[in-house]
Amino acid sequence: EVQLVESGGGLVKPGGSLRLSCAASGFTFNTYNMNWVRQAPGKGLEWVSSISSSSYYKYYADSVKGRFTISRDNARKSLYLQMDSLRAEDTAVYYCVGGYLIDFDYWGQGALVTVSS
Amino acid sequence: EIVMTQSPATLSVSPGEGATLSCRASQSVSSNLAWYQHKPGQAPRLLIYAASTRATGIPARFSGSGSGTEFTLTISSLQSEDFAVYYCLQYFNWPPWTFGQGTKVEIK
Repeated sequence: EVQLVESGGGLVKPGGSLRLSCAASGFTFNTYNMNWVRQAPGKGLEWVSSISSSSYYKYYADSVKGRFTISRDNARKSLYLQMDSLRAEDTAVYYCVGGYLIDFDYWGQGALVTVSS
Repeated sequence: EIVMTQSPATLSVSPGEGATLSCRASQSVSSNLAWYQHKPGQAPRLLIYAASTRATGIPARFSGSGSGTEFTLTISSLQSEDFAVYYCLQYFNWPPWTFGQGTKVEIK
């Protein structure tokens, strides 16, 4: 069974940093492209960032470019999102997402990030 | 960037009735369109990919159709567990991958 478990969420002040982690199991992690998708309170789903299976390709939404960094450790079967210079508008549930059909097959339960003073 | 527009925003349906949800793309996405079901506090679940292919374990009452810019998700007979928010996602032209704003299917 595919499992994606996010951790590292919490409350942070504007301008602060946070690092999300996602532990993967139940599939061959090093063959999947992986993604982060977020949902702000009362809003819809928004793609944030993607990384290819070998980490060669990385993509970012314009809203986070230059502030967020995606990475992965295939040996540890883990995905990460380093979030710097956080803003109130980054407040959201962040989902770890991966798959082999369309890269967005499987989703974790999400980690809540709250940016507030 | 391809903009995805879903309609209606909210759909009120009685259990046992059918529901039709629409998703429109600002330019052609061929058949690179997926549908998700999302319930509060849960992970979104992939229902349909390639516009009309049901994902593993998805009941036959869910069906998808369309290509190009117009897509439809049909739920033939709503069960209590089907009341949720549904999103479409285009994966034809990326980045960015783009979602519709969602359709909430609520109990009438």
